[in-house]
Amino acid sequence: EVQLVESGGGLVKPGGSLRLSCAASGFTFSSYSMTWVRQAPGKGLEWVSTISSTSNYLSYADSLRGRFTVSRDNANNSVFLQMNSLRVEDTAVYYCARGPLGFGDLLYAWGQGALVTVSS
Amino acid sequence: EIVLTQSPGTLSLSAGERATLSCRASQSVTSNSLAWYQQKPGQAPRLLIYGASSRANGVPDRFSGSGSGTDFSLTISGLKPEDFAVYYCQQYGDSPLFGQGTKLEI
Repeated sequence: EVQLVESGGGLVKPGGSLRLSCAASGFTFSSYSMTWVRQAPGKGLEWVSTISSTSNYLSYADSLRGRFTVSRDNANNSVFLQMNSLRVEDTAVYYCARGPLGFGDLLYAWGQGALVTVSS
Repeated sequence: EIVLTQSPGTLSLSAGERATLSCRASQSVTSNSLAWYQQKPGQAPRLLIYGASSRANGVPDRFSGSGSGTDFSLTISGLKPEDFAVYYCQQYGDSPLFGQGTKLEI
C-alpha cells in the first residue's frame, strides 16, 4: 500500500524558513515523480512543485519560483520542500503526492498533509 | 496560460440523483490530460478520473468522465451519501493547475 507521510509543518514568522519532508513507502520511490500541492484554509488546491524520479527535472509554480526548492533523497525514500522568505499567504496545508513513472503531474496518491502557518 | 473554470460552484442534489459537473479550459488541454479528484472534509484529495475518461483503481463505475479539447465533465450516477464532497479538475500536461472546485452537497 502506498503511504506518504508529511512532517515539518508548524508556525513560522513572516520572512522565516521551513523545510517540509515527505516519507514514502509501499512503492519503488526512486522510479516515480513527486509533487507538492498546497491548500490555503477554506480554499482550493494549488500546485506548488514537481520533481522527476532522478531529480533531473524540477518545475515550480511561477509565483513561488525563487523562494521554494524541491529535492529528494532516493536512498531514504523522501522528498523535501525548502520554503524561504515565507509570507502570510503561504499559510496552507501542504500535501505531497506521487506522480507517474519518471516525470509528470497526474497525482495517484496523496499524503495527509502538513499545516504551515505563517504569522507574527 | 490555461485557466480551468468549474461550474457550478455548488450543486445541491439528493441521494440517488445524477450529478453532472463541468470543467472548461481557456485553451485546449494537451492530449486530454485532464483529471478529476474528490476531496472530503479533513481528508486529502483522491484521484477519480484521468485522461478525461479513465477511472482510477478502485473507483466505482458510477463515476464517469467525458469531454475533450476545452470542455470536460464528471458524471456521478445514482449519488450515494459518501459522494457528497468537493470535486476538482486538474490539467496535468504543461503548466499543471487545478480548477477552483465544485462542492456537491445534499
